[in-house]
This record gives sequence, C-alpha cells and structure tokens, in this order.
Amino acid sequence: DQQVKQNSPSLSVQEGRISILNCDYTNSMFDYFLWYKKYPAEGPTFLISISSIKDKNEDGRFTVFLNKSAKHLSLHIVPSQPGDSAVYFCAASSMTTDSWGKLQFGAGTQVVVTP
Amino acid sequence: DTAVSQTPKYLVTQMGNDKSIKCEQNLGHDTMYWYKQDSKKFLKIMFSYNNKELIINETVPNRFSPKSPDKAHLNLHINSLELGDSAVYFCAASETGTLTGYTFGSGTRLTVV
Repeated sequence: DQQVKQNSPSLSVQEGRISILNCDYTNSMFDYFLWYKKYPAEGPTFLISISSIKDKNEDGRFTVFLNKSAKHLSLHIVPSQPGDSAVYFCAASSMTTDSWGKLQFGAGTQVVVTP
Repeated sequence: DTAVSQTPKYLVTQMGNDKSIKCEQNLGHDTMYWYKQDSKKFLKIMFSYNNKELIINETVPNRFSPKSPDKAHLNLHINSLELGDSAVYFCAASETGTLTGYTFGSGTRLTVV
C-alpha cells in the first residue's frame, strides 16, 4: 500500500521556466515532508522540507507548498537549470515515536531540463 | 572523503548464495538505516539502528540480518539469496531526532541470477 504517490513519472521543462512537481499522500498521520534529488549512480540528497504547521517553505530557487486538506504537496523550481535534471523523490514521515526516522518515499519524478 | 560509503557498489551473485553489504559513515551520526529501491523505483525502509540498537525493523524476510558493530557501521547480510532480492540497497545516516540531516550512500546494486 503506497502512502506517498508521485503520479508523474517524468517532466520535461525548458531552461529558465518553472518546474512543478506534485506529490499526494494518503496517511493523515504524516506531519513532515521532504524532497530529495537523485542523480544516476548516486544516493538521494536532501533538497527541502516542510512541516505540517506550515504551508510554504522557500530555499533559493526551490519552494515547497503543502495543502493538508488535499493531502498534497508540490515542489516549484524556478528558474529551472540544466543541473536540475535528476529524479526528485517526495518523502513523508510522522513524528510519532514509533515512526520517527521512517521515511515513506514516492516513486520519483524524472525531470529533464532542456536548453 | 565520502560521508556514507557502501561496498561493494555492484554485486552479482547466484541464487542461494549468502552475501554482505557494508556501510560506514564518518558523520558522527547516531542513527543508520537500510533502504531498498525495488524495480518500481520505490525506496522502502528495511532497518534502522540507533547507537547499535535496532529501532526499526520493517517486514522483511528473516534472511536479511543487519549488524551494527559500532555506531559508524551498519552491515547488511543476506542469506539464501533469491531472484526477488535484486534491487539497489541504500544505506543512510542521520542525527537522532532530525530528518533533514539524512545522508544516503551511493547505493549497492545487487543482481541475483
């Protein structure tokens, strides 16, 4: 039972434009959300996170939006750069003691930024 | 100097064999994890250790046994390998109580033939 879903396996965007990646979750106990970026033959690297007490978090070109009522979050990258071409994973966790540290990942979205 | 290093990077082995994957972290973090990325690309947690103590043990076959000799190392031993064990295995480390400090290794691609 997949509790974190990224329904778009791929996204192609022109350099300089905005990339919008979407993520949906089903478990209402999730209260912390993260985005990871992964290049081929490397491990995922942390990009940005948001806790459920916020609806937006921004870090440079990256902004994450959280809509708790819709159980939906999105990652905006603006402007997109060729180095952003990678697989992006959405992840969620619950701060309850027995779930702390356990990240539930989506299947990832392959982003390709074209010149 | 790699923060979380796994060896080997690639492992091809026959069904029924026993193999180990090693993981070492030099970040000084207290918590280490094993994740499996299956053919559908989902990353799923398998185990977590905190200061050598097992704290997360997901539903994985008991052919998989993690071993943590000290807090800088978390190895994964797999007995009687099966075709379905083919996957990429990622080790990770984090400070206790933080998720943003999660650092992954570069993965071990295991192929069982």
